Amino acid sequence: EVQLVQSGAEVKKPGESLKISCKGSGYDFSTWWIAWVRQTPGKGLEWIGIIFPADSDTRYSPSFQGQVTISADKSLSTAYLQWSSLKASDTAIYYCARHNYLIDWGQGTLVTVSS
Amino acid sequence: EIVLTQSPGTLSLSPGEIATLSCRASQSVSSNYLAWYQQKPGQAPRLLIYGASSRATGIPDRFSGSGSGTGFTLTIGRLGPDDFAVYYCQQYSSSPYTFGQGTKLEI
Repeated sequence: EVQLVQSGAEVKKPGESLKISCKGSGYDFSTWWIAWVRQTPGKGLEWIGIIFPADSDTRYSPSFQGQVTISADKSLSTAYLQWSSLKASDTAIYYCARHNYLIDWGQGTLVTVSS
Repeated sequence: EIVLTQSPGTLSLSPGEIATLSCRASQSVSSNYLAWYQQKPGQAPRLLIYGASSRATGIPDRFSGSGSGTGFTLTIGRLGPDDFAVYYCQQYSSSPYTFGQGTKLEI
């Protein structure tokens, strides 16, 4: 069974850094794209970017380019989404999902940024 | 960037009726790389349709997708109580792989 298990909820202050994770199991993690998607409270879905763990080929939405960093460690079957300096507007649920059309989803990580 | 516009924003129907949801793209979606997702409150989205018309594993045949180019449709036949949710389309032909803003299907 394919599973994507994300790290737990985070509460941070503006300006702090953060790295959340997504661990895949039940399939060959290296050879499937992993995407990150943002959902702000009561709003729709926004595609952040995607990574191919085998070679770390990464694409970003222009809306998120420079604001976040996507990475992956294929030896740990884990993908990451990180911020160097959080803003209140980063408050959202972040999902990871497998493939370019999103076959399997993680359970989501709620990130709250508040002073 | 391909902009996807879904209509209507909200669709009010009754159980047993047929739902027709539309997704229009600002430019052609090549190879019909268009997917549909269902999201219920407090849950992650679930893949329903990929390649514009192929059902994902475990999705009942009441759900069907159609269309090509810039116009796509998700049809849900014989609505059941479990079908009332928010539906999103997504194109994956051209990065960034954008989503529509969603259609809320309500009773």
